[in-house]
Amino acid sequence: DAGVTQSPTHLIKTRGQHVTLRCSPISGHKSVSWYQQVLGQGPQFIFQYYEKEERGRGNFPDRFSARQFPNYSSELNVNALLLGDSALYLCASSLELGAGGVYNIQYFGAGTRLSVL
Amino acid sequence: DAKTTQPPSMDCAEGRAANLPCNHSTISGNEYVYWYRQIHSQGPQYIIHGLKNNETNEMASLIITEDRKSSTLILPHATLRDTAVYYCIVRVVSRVSNYQLIWGAGTKLIIKP
Repeated sequence: DAGVTQSPTHLIKTRGQHVTLRCSPISGHKSVSWYQQVLGQGPQFIFQYYEKEERGRGNFPDRFSARQFPNYSSELNVNALLLGDSALYLCASSLELGAGGVYNIQYFGAGTRLSVL
Repeated sequence: DAKTTQPPSMDCAEGRAANLPCNHSTISGNEYVYWYRQIHSQGPQYIIHGLKNNETNEMASLIITEDRKSSTLILPHATLRDTAVYYCIVRVVSRVSNYQLIWGAGTKLIIKP
């Protein structure tokens, strides 16, 4: 079975540009979460979606936005890119949205590495 | 929100058990402890999680102290492929916090031949 897939795998942009990252969850998974991971640090939560509705937002500026589509895939958009946005962007999916139990385990994709020059 | 403390790095000999400690002294009664690992900037891989009781699966065992203020992840027979950064995470359970995973800096585990 296919895991969480993210595209593209690598991306190079310049300051001020816009970027769209894509995520396809594991088949049947209704929840998608986005994380940013800067080199040497643990992932930081950006957004969480469940059944196409935003259910959580981390401490990120309004330049970051996301959406989830009827097929549960998701996009993360970042406007007006800054050098500090360079990071590995991770997408995770889970069957349901909750705290414990096997249905709420988040499974991660390989990530999109974004470099802003 | 509960936070975790882990040693920044650890070594373990191949074939031996790797015991990775985690302190989560401010954990609330309904917050779960999750363990993930990340191999060389790939996506994090789920290992195991628990609430109060010790847990075991095909990858590892999780030992949670009775007061829930600390836990230990045990890889019973470490191999070179277990070299990775291991994250101990507390999962916030409230709908307000939207079931986030709160990540620390993790422990870099190096398995030596």
